[in-house]
Amino acid sequence: GNSVTQMEGPVTLSEEAFLTINCTYTATGYPSLFWYVQYPGEGLQLLLKATKADDKGSNKGFEATYRKETTSFHLEKGSVQVSDSAVYFCALRPLPNFGNEKLTFGTGTRLTIIP
Amino acid sequence: DAGVTQSPTHLIKTRGQQVTLRCSPKSGHDTVSWYQQALGQGPQFIFQYYEEEERQRGNFPDRFSGHQFPNYSSELNVNALLLGDSALYLCASSAGLAGVSDTQYFGPGTRLTVL
Repeated sequence: GNSVTQMEGPVTLSEEAFLTINCTYTATGYPSLFWYVQYPGEGLQLLLKATKADDKGSNKGFEATYRKETTSFHLEKGSVQVSDSAVYFCALRPLPNFGNEKLTFGTGTRLTIIP
Repeated sequence: DAGVTQSPTHLIKTRGQQVTLRCSPKSGHDTVSWYQQALGQGPQFIFQYYEEEERQRGNFPDRFSGHQFPNYSSELNVNALLLGDSALYLCASSAGLAGVSDTQYFGPGTRLTVL
């Protein structure tokens, strides 16, 4: 079946440090890949997505590239801010077909940025 | 443009009771999915509704049931509550089945505590 493996947390960084959160997946075909962010006490917000190999998703300074050869979708940011402190979830959705819409999530990575 | 809304925000029940959670999808969306997020875990897919029918179901017992109304809003019902049902319940909406929209948008969730 489909699965997502995320970098174990928690991750603690100083402000302006470089961030990488690793994500690898197992799926048949070409799934769509997503990063969602969850701030304390809130639901999930879509951060970025990529729908085919070599696509780069980007938003708010975060980037992730869909690597089919390594089945990875690592999240990166060049200079993190305190406001980036949250839990980050990598997720996949299988190749679209009728009745197969569900997202499969990783376990999440808690990120804390220290001023 | 209203996003996905859920009610109530918090709920406390005792074992054996029944609970109903509600969700209104984002404007223009007609597909609703429900997820359970246990503390410290990623969301797990419960089921999805489209055209007032359950289209896909995850590995959850029959105690979990749902409904979708003609206005696309949805309810999640859980019977015979167990302590292990304590979690954040997330609703996500999207536009149509696969091929129309690739992105699910999440509500803020309902925090259910079972005592």
